[in-house]
Amino acid sequence: KAGVTQTPRYLIKTRGQQVTLSCSPISGHRSVSWYQQTPGQGLQFLFEYFSETQRNKGNFPGRFSGRQFSNSRSEMNVSTLELGDSALYLCASSLRGSSGNTIYFGEGSWLTVV
Amino acid sequence: ELKVEQNPLFLSMQEGKNYTIYCNYSTTSDRLYWYRQDPGKSLESLFVLLSNGAVKQEGRLMASLDTKARLSTLHITAAVHDLSATYFCAVDMEGNKLVFGAGTILRVKS
Repeated sequence: KAGVTQTPRYLIKTRGQQVTLSCSPISGHRSVSWYQQTPGQGLQFLFEYFSETQRNKGNFPGRFSGRQFSNSRSEMNVSTLELGDSALYLCASSLRGSSGNTIYFGEGSWLTVV
Repeated sequence: ELKVEQNPLFLSMQEGKNYTIYCNYSTTSDRLYWYRQDPGKSLESLFVLLSNGAVKQEGRLMASLDTKARLSTLHITAAVHDLSATYFCAVDMEGNKLVFGAGTILRVKS
């Protein structure tokens, strides 16, 4: 079956712009979470959605936001981009909202801010 | 605040040798994940450990969890070059909110 799909895979933005990243979870999965990966900070949790509700949020500024649609697809948005937002953004999905399910990651969206 | 520490951070080993990667975490949890990441790629799920004493094996990799010691190990048996990658452990505290270790870069030399 199809895995977690993220679009776009690569993008370059200018400081001050905004960006929207999209994630389609594995069919039937209702929990979608987002992570940022950078060489300096490693993998950091951004937020998690389950049934269109944000259940958890990481320690990121309000410029980072997300949402989940009724079909479980999710988007995250970063406004007023800064150079430090350059990172690999990973989306993950799992079957249910409870812990213990395998969490599958997509290929990621590589964002470069210039 | 939950902290997850992996060691070593870099491991260079010869093919055929055994080694163990350690993952310590600071707060009680019984849900721990191991992932593999190849350069420029995403995270591949290796193991999900859900209880004290859990042990799982896949090929040359075996993972275990000791919740009382807050310790998980990833043991590599008779390493081969294809195992070269970065390995992450992650602890789940609040339901699909993973806190990751810094990762262990493994290089297997032939």
